[in-house]
Amino acid sequence: KNEVEQSPQNLTAQEGEFITINCSYSVGISALHWLQQHPGGGIVSLFMLSSGKKKHGRLIATINIQEKHSSLHITASHPRDSAVYICAVRVQKLVFGQGTRLTINP
Amino acid sequence: EPEVTQTPSHQVTQMGQEVILRCVPISNHLYFYWYRQILGQKVEFLVSFYNNEISEKSEIFDDQFSVERPDGSNFTLKIRSTKLEDSAMYFCASIERGGTGELFFGEGSRLTVL
Repeated sequence: KNEVEQSPQNLTAQEGEFITINCSYSVGISALHWLQQHPGGGIVSLFMLSSGKKKHGRLIATINIQEKHSSLHITASHPRDSAVYICAVRVQKLVFGQGTRLTINP
Repeated sequence: EPEVTQTPSHQVTQMGQEVILRCVPISNHLYFYWYRQILGQKVEFLVSFYNNEISEKSEIFDDQFSVERPDGSNFTLKIRSTKLEDSAMYFCASIERGGTGELFFGEGSRLTVL
């Protein structure tokens, strides 16, 4: 059983669209990370959440601890947002979701 | 901006050889991690390291892997007797002392085992 499930697995949208990526997890966690993996493979941390909501530029991340669910939103999406977005939960070690491949077309 | 540095960026090796991957974490960071991503698969945890000791390791770690911090700056992952299925991207990451818990990743080392 996967401890971290992301949806959708793949998402293609037009530039300017509002994007939502979802993450559900099945275990108690101390924190949840949203990561961005570039086409070249490098990984960048976007957010670390333990409750509530965080915003950075056009990116917004929310978490509902009771429902064991988190969402990553991108407003006014741009082709440079194209990447794989990974949700990872901290249960002592970090457990990763399978990633959501986002493609934004101009 | 401080960054985690990994070397080599790409290594090709023959099956059965030993490989050492190196990481230089950000200088005031205390917690260090190695992760692996086999092509097309999700990232998986290998080991965490704190205060010069392993704090947690995955079920597969002892089979083939070891970590060291030989000189207080470098953080190495040794893969003994490589197998074809060890071909993957290996990422080092670190967390700063008393910080937000944000992870800083290196660019990764791509290992190809032939």
